[in-house]
Amino acid sequence: ELKVEQNPLFLSMQEGKNYTIYCNYSTTSDRLYWYRQDPGKSLESLFVLLSNGAVKQEGRLMASLDTKARLSTLHITAAVHDLSATYFCAVGLKLGGADGLTFGKGTHLIIQP
Amino acid sequence: GAVVSQHPSWVICKSGTSVKIECRSLDFQATTMFWYRQFPKQSLMLMATSNEGSKATYEQGVEKDKFLINHASLTLSTLTVTSAHPEDSSFYICSARDLSTETQYFGPGTRLLVL
Repeated sequence: ELKVEQNPLFLSMQEGKNYTIYCNYSTTSDRLYWYRQDPGKSLESLFVLLSNGAVKQEGRLMASLDTKARLSTLHITAAVHDLSATYFCAVGLKLGGADGLTFGKGTHLIIQP
Repeated sequence: GAVVSQHPSWVICKSGTSVKIECRSLDFQATTMFWYRQFPKQSLMLMATSNEGSKATYEQGVEKDKFLINHASLTLSTLTVTSAHPEDSSFYICSARDLSTETQYFGPGTRLLVL
């Protein structure tokens, strides 16, 4: 059974600081996704990581994937208040994305002025 | 990016009634759609995989007779919660797989409250 663990589950940080969210998973996979969820809303796709060593950046967020370590990271640089949300990583096992995703528990991120 | 819609966005119903939720991919065809459920302050849990033209595949512990799924076209999947009870109250979110990007795009969700 695939297990996906995120840490931390809750993070409060100040604007301007850097931090990293970690996502570990238990079964070999090279398909990892990061999503953002705002309160009461659905999920917004942030990154799709499909190979070992993949690194993607969008604004102040950067995601990477190490399939050998079964680890993905989401790095936040110089955080701003607008990044406050819950961030989920999710893993898929089948090639081509033919299966449903297994989600981590989410990291509730609060960025304070 | 790809757009997935859901209808209704929220529904309140009495215990024992059935509720149908629609999930549509608006600008791409989706041979596979997925239904998830999210309880308050929890993560998403996959309920079932909806395949166009064939039977849905349900995850362990999900009652197929209670959660009826129909995927009649390449852009529409429906989830019917039959004989709903208060414990079925949840946030139901569908996603559709876009083959060109290998990404699942999520609908806006349907909040169900069963009284």
